[in-house]
Amino acid sequence: EVHLVQSGAEVKKPGESLRISCKGSGYKFTDYWMAWVRQVPGKGLEWMGRIDPSDSYTTYSPSFQGHVTISADKSSDTAYLQWTSLEASDTAIFYCARQEPGNVFQFWGQGTLVTVSS
Amino acid sequence: EIVMTQSPATLSVSPGERATLSCRASQSVSNNLAWYQQKPGQAPRLLIYGASTRATGIPARFSGSGSGTEFTLTISSLQSEDFAVYYCQEYNDWWTFGQGTKVEIK
Repeated sequence: EVHLVQSGAEVKKPGESLRISCKGSGYKFTDYWMAWVRQVPGKGLEWMGRIDPSDSYTTYSPSFQGHVTISADKSSDTAYLQWTSLEASDTAIFYCARQEPGNVFQFWGQGTLVTVSS
Repeated sequence: EIVMTQSPATLSVSPGERATLSCRASQSVSNNLAWYQQKPGQAPRLLIYGASTRATGIPARFSGSGSGTEFTLTISSLQSEDFAVYYCQEYNDWWTFGQGTKVEIK
């Protein structure tokens, strides 16, 4: 059975760095792209970017390019989403989602709430 | 970048009634369109892909139609568990979501 388990909620101050994780299990991690999706509380879903874990090739939405980094570790079947300098506007729930060959998102992590506040 | 526009923003429906949700793309996405359901505090759930194919385990009361720029999600007879927010998503270009339609109890 496919599972995506994300790291726990985080509370950070503006300017701090952060890396959240998403561990896949129940399938071959390198066979599927992993995407990250942002949801500001009470708002809609935004695709941020995706990574091919087999070669770490990444694609970013123009809205997020340069502000976040997506990476993956094949040895631990884990994908990451990273910020070097958080802003209050980064407060949101972040989901990882496995991209199927048809490009839809069949399996989702439970979400990680990131709160950025001084 | 393709813009996905959903209507209405909120749909008030009585249990057992039919619900029809619309999604419009700013340019053709062929049939590369998916629908997701999201309940409070939960991750989204894939309902429909390829504009009209139900995902695994999705009840037959959910159906999708359309191609190009106009798409529809129909819930034939709303059950209590169907009250949620529904998002369309194109995957022809980037993976852009619509802003969502909230289906609430009338």
